[in-house]
Amino acid sequence: DQQVKQNSPSLSVQEGRISILNCDYTNSMFDYFLWYKKYPAEGPTFLISISSIKDKNEDGRFTVFLNKSAKHLSLHIVPSQPGDSAVYFCAASAGGQNFVFGPGTRLSVLP
Amino acid sequence: EAGVVQSPRYKIIEKKQPVAFWCNPISGHNTLYWYLQNLGQGPELLIRYENEEAVDDSQLPKDRFSAERLKGVDSTLKIQPAELGDSAVYLCASRTNTGELFFGEGSRLTVL
Repeated sequence: DQQVKQNSPSLSVQEGRISILNCDYTNSMFDYFLWYKKYPAEGPTFLISISSIKDKNEDGRFTVFLNKSAKHLSLHIVPSQPGDSAVYFCAASAGGQNFVFGPGTRLSVLP
Repeated sequence: EAGVVQSPRYKIIEKKQPVAFWCNPISGHNTLYWYLQNLGQGPELLIRYENEEAVDDSQLPKDRFSAERLKGVDSTLKIQPAELGDSAVYLCASRTNTGELFFGEGSRLTVL
């Protein structure tokens, strides 16, 4: 039973356009969410977080939106750059202790 | 400030051999995690430490896996004996006071 789902295995976007990566979760107890970027042969790199008391958090080109009623969050990257090409993971936790990760979405930003 | 350090980066062993991975978390991070990542999947939790105490090891296959975090700083994850299905990347992470996890580069294990 996958508690965190990323239903798009891959996504291709033109450079300069918006990238939208989606994540759905099933556990209503999840209240803290993280997004990570991963390049090949490297560990995941933390991008941005959001707590369930917020519905939006922004950091530079990255914005995360949380829709608690739909148990859905999304990561927006604007504008997308070729260096953003990587695998993106969302992770969720109840109380910020143990994090459950989604399977990832591979983003390709085309020049 | 140094990040999470893991070693070795790569390890190739034959099945039934033992293997050990080492992790040094970011200084001051009391919470340490070991995750397993298979190809094409997200990281899966193996064990979480709060200081030297393993507070969640429910996902650790205890028949062949063991871990320790003596003195509450660095940690070792051991597999004995290794099986073909253990081939994966073993990730260590430590957690900030604000809740974000920072990962090391991982240790890629290949069991032949």
